Amino acid sequence: GAVVSQHPSWVICKSGTSVKIECRSLDFQATTMFWYRQFPKQSLMLMATSNEGSKATYEQGVEKDKFLINHASLTLSTLTVTSAHPEDSSFYICSARGLEQETQYFGPGTRLLVL
Amino acid sequence: QKEVEQNSGPLSVPEGAIASLNCTYSDRGSQSFFWYRQYSGKSPELIMSIYSNGDKEDGRFTAQLNKASQYVSLLIRDSQPSDSATYLCAVGASGGSYIPTFGRGTSLIVHP
Repeated sequence: GAVVSQHPSWVICKSGTSVKIECRSLDFQATTMFWYRQFPKQSLMLMATSNEGSKATYEQGVEKDKFLINHASLTLSTLTVTSAHPEDSSFYICSARGLEQETQYFGPGTRLLVL
Repeated sequence: QKEVEQNSGPLSVPEGAIASLNCTYSDRGSQSFFWYRQYSGKSPELIMSIYSNGDKEDGRFTAQLNKASQYVSLLIRDSQPSDSATYLCAVGASGGSYIPTFGRGTSLIVHP
């Protein structure tokens, strides 16, 4: 149980394009989803927290107009990196948590390379 | 600001030894604590959660919690080379927000 999937696992795009990453909870209802970014050999950095049906809460320093998060259902959240630039190249990982649960389960991550 | 501190390592232990990973936290009201393992290039996977003072054992893993000292540790018995990874400590926030704070992780190397 508690499986979280992400799609795609790898994406390469040109600078200036937008990229959408999907995060799905496969066997539970995810009332809260988290989006993290991790640069090589660095720690996880929380970008935003989203609750189903509500606007996402972004961490300080994360541009909400650049990283669009939609959590429209209890099993799906999407992160759209708009007008991606090479500095946005990173490992993006989502995690999901059920109602009144504290344990979060991570997806396998999406590697983004912006050329 | 809530902080979770871990020694970045690397912690190097021989195969078969006990690896001891430590974590301290600043939020005295925290009630939930988690250990995740992250292999290089992969996302974190949950190893254990602990909520009460004392020890919690699961196979070769033992989590130890001391809320008075604001300290949580993970012991790995009979360490194997496959245990080589970065271990992340996560501490749940007090106040019911359920947003955990992650430490930077400790790199563990188990050598044959």
